Amino acid sequence: KAGVTQTPRYLIKTRGQQVTLSCSPISGHRSVSWYQQTPGQGLQFLFEYFSETQRNKGNFPGRFSGRQFSNSRSEMNVSTLELGDSALYLCASSFLAGGSKFFGPGTRLTVL
Amino acid sequence: QQQVKQSPQSLIVQKGGISIINCAYENTAFDYFPWYQQFPGKGPALLIAIRPDVSEKKEGRFTISFNKSAKQFSLHIMDSQPGDSATYFCAASDNYGQNFVFGPGTRLSVLP
Repeated sequence: KAGVTQTPRYLIKTRGQQVTLSCSPISGHRSVSWYQQTPGQGLQFLFEYFSETQRNKGNFPGRFSGRQFSNSRSEMNVSTLELGDSALYLCASSFLAGGSKFFGPGTRLTVL
Repeated sequence: QQQVKQSPQSLIVQKGGISIINCAYENTAFDYFPWYQQFPGKGPALLIAIRPDVSEKKEGRFTISFNKSAKQFSLHIMDSQPGDSATYFCAASDNYGQNFVFGPGTRLSVLP
């Protein structure tokens, strides 16, 4: 089975721009979670989707949004980028909501 | 109550030694406790997991010890190798998947 894939792997944007990151879960997995990881920091939970519905949301500003499609693929969007948004954005999929999570390789976002 | 505490923050071990990382939780609804291993630039990978009906689970050189009454669990890496140098995250989840919480991580360095 193919693992979780994330595109793009690397991204460079400037302040004020917006960005969309994509995640394809493991085949058959219906839950997708997004995390932000900054250098030396842990995994900061952004949101979780299950069957196209947002189940949980972390403590991030409204500039961070996401959605899930009927094929379980998910996208997250960050609008009006700030320097502090530079991070590794990780997507994780699971068969059930809250079940064992399997992470993708992440998208490294750099905001200049 | 939703937090998972993890210690130490960093750990240096000689090759062949035992690495021990400890985690503690408060939410008694948690019933699934996975550990993740993350190498620099990569997404976290599920290493080993335990449910509270057993007190210990071993997979190769990796062992989880679980103490339900103390609400603590730990990861032991026997015969630690330089290739084990990574950041380790403990996590906890409840049966309904409403809460999936990660610890802050432990950076392990195994000296050759």
